[in-house]
Amino acid sequence: DAGVIQSPRHEVTEMGQEVTLRCKPISGHNSLFWYRQTMMRGLELLIYFNNNVPIDDSGMPEDRFSAKMPNASFSTLKIQPSEPRDSAVYFCASSLRGGGGEKLFFGSGTQLSVL
Amino acid sequence: DQQVKQNSPSLSVQEGRISILNCDYTNSMFDYFLWYKKYPAEGPTFLISISSIKDKNEDGRFTVFLNKSAKHLSLHIVPSQPGDSAVYFCAAPIQGAQKLVFGQGTRLTINP
Repeated sequence: DAGVIQSPRHEVTEMGQEVTLRCKPISGHNSLFWYRQTMMRGLELLIYFNNNVPIDDSGMPEDRFSAKMPNASFSTLKIQPSEPRDSAVYFCASSLRGGGGEKLFFGSGTQLSVL
Repeated sequence: DQQVKQNSPSLSVQEGRISILNCDYTNSMFDYFLWYKKYPAEGPTFLISISSIKDKNEDGRFTVFLNKSAKHLSLHIVPSQPGDSAVYFCAAPIQGAQKLVFGQGTRLTINP
């Protein structure tokens, strides 16, 4: 099993540009999570999906952030327009049934730098 | 509101000795706790978990202890090995919600 695959691994962009992060969950998993890691806030949940449906997006910081899951094998997190304070590592994770007590499987993350 | 807290950002331990990582929580409704381990440039990986109905869970060199009255859990690694050098996160699922809240993490360094 290839695990959760995220792309790109690194993204450097200028303020105001659109950024799209991509994620392929583990085949057969029905829950997908987007987390962000910063020095100040640690690992924080942005949004999660069950069976491709967004369940809780209360962690999405602003309307500049949006996430989609068009099918069971693909999700995107988009930031438009990006700002320097969005610089962080963004992780995608998937699980079977959900993260409540069950194990999350994380991708290697996307290191985003907004200049 | 940080419901899960790891107050020690870093810990240094000599190889072969015991490593003890601590975690405090504020929500008494948590019914499950997990520890994740993270190496640089990788995502966190699940390490060990414990149900709130237990006070101890052991898996090889790793043992997690839960003290509900103190709202405190700890991860013991014995003996510590150089490969244990990583950042360790404790986490708990918000009851009724399918999401984990994480502590800030503790960077463990095992010295040869």
